[in-house]
Amino acid sequence: GAGVSQSPSNKVTEKGKDVELRCDPISGHTALYWYRQSLGQGLEFLIYFQGNSAPDKSGLPSDRFSAERTGGSVSTLTIQRTQQEDSAVYLCASSLVGFEQYFGPGTRLTVT
Amino acid sequence: LAKTTQPISMDSYEGQEVNITCSHNNIATNDYITWYQQFPSQGPRFIIQGYKTKVTNEVASLFIPADRKSSTLSLPRVSLSDTAVYYCLVGALNTGGFKTIFGAGTRLFVKA
Repeated sequence: GAGVSQSPSNKVTEKGKDVELRCDPISGHTALYWYRQSLGQGLEFLIYFQGNSAPDKSGLPSDRFSAERTGGSVSTLTIQRTQQEDSAVYLCASSLVGFEQYFGPGTRLTVT
Repeated sequence: LAKTTQPISMDSYEGQEVNITCSHNNIATNDYITWYQQFPSQGPRFIIQGYKTKVTNEVASLFIPADRKSSTLSLPRVSLSDTAVYYCLVGALNTGGFKTIFGAGTRLFVKA
């Protein structure tokens, strides 16, 4: 079946612009995660959605970052007024039961 | 969430067995231990998960001592393609998943 998909695969934006990153999880997966990964670094947790519960936003680095998940499926991560330090690969993952997360290919964001 | 500690990097040669140990001294009673593998420019991929004693699948084995304060991922007869970053996570299972914290991981480099 189809895996987790993310779009765009690459995004170059100017400092100060807003960007939206999209994640399509595996159908039926109740949990959805966003992470970011800077070059050569580990994954940094950003936000976690589970079912109809309020999302865990404890990893969002600033109020410029927000995310929503519509209809328990597609999720959008929005970064407002982008800064150069926002440049990273943004990874989305989904899971059904247990701890096994399935990751998408990521969106490489470059802020110039 | 239990914090994990892993070696930053390891080197090995093709055909050798590689053991990567992860410390998680504050693991909770209902926490499971999960390992992921990440190749460059890809999202992490689930390898193996366990609660206690030993778990084996077609890819790896996971050894967990009785006190569960550490775990060891064992990769038999590694090949060049096993060069990757390996992450150890601990967390509780529930329906739909769980907020997860990936550490810096262990960078394994397999030489010919």
